[in-house]
Amino acid sequence: EDQVTQSPEALRLQEGESSSLNCSYTVSGLRGLFWYRQDPGKGPEFLFTLYSAGEEKEKERLKATLTKKESFLHITAPKPEDSATYLCAVRPGANSKLTFGKGITLSVRP
Amino acid sequence: KAGVTQTPRYLIKTRGQQVTLSCSPISGHRSVSWYQQTPGQGLQFLFEYFSETQRNKGNFPGRFSGRQFSNSRSEMNVSTLELGDSALYLCASSLASDNSPLHFGNGTRLTVT
Repeated sequence: EDQVTQSPEALRLQEGESSSLNCSYTVSGLRGLFWYRQDPGKGPEFLFTLYSAGEEKEKERLKATLTKKESFLHITAPKPEDSATYLCAVRPGANSKLTFGKGITLSVRP
Repeated sequence: KAGVTQTPRYLIKTRGQQVTLSCSPISGHRSVSWYQQTPGQGLQFLFEYFSETQRNKGNFPGRFSGRQFSNSRSEMNVSTLELGDSALYLCASSLASDNSPLHFGNGTRLTVT
């Protein structure tokens, strides 16, 4: 069965304190790995898609990387507005469903 | 471009009743997926529709059903509601290509009393 595990469950950072969020996965194949951000009371917002090991994507203070077994979301010099729950999801094969991890709740203190 | 629209935003129902939730996808998106989100289980996949056909189905009981119309709009129905059905129900749409990201609506918050 496809599994996605995210760690830690929660992370508290001081503004400007860089860190990384981890997403490890066990799937039969990997068609794509997706990162989302979810704010309270809202639906997940798409951030990145990664397709193969070694790939990296960047957006503002966020950088996502992918290996054969895990993905990292690096947050550089975070600001309070980066506080949210970050979700990772995998698609094992063509036209298959997305399987989500349980998310990492990030809190950035000013 | 308008995003995914879900109605209603909030619902309160009693046990045993049934409920219908509605989703309007982004214009041009032909695939619609439904997820249940709870604090303990996270996002759990319910089903996916593409061109009015169910393409994937999650491990939920038959009380949960859905459909998609020719304009790609979708509905999901839950019959004989149970307390455990209280959750945020999220709809997401995507383009037809098989590795497109999902774009989510803000969900319908269902409370069963």
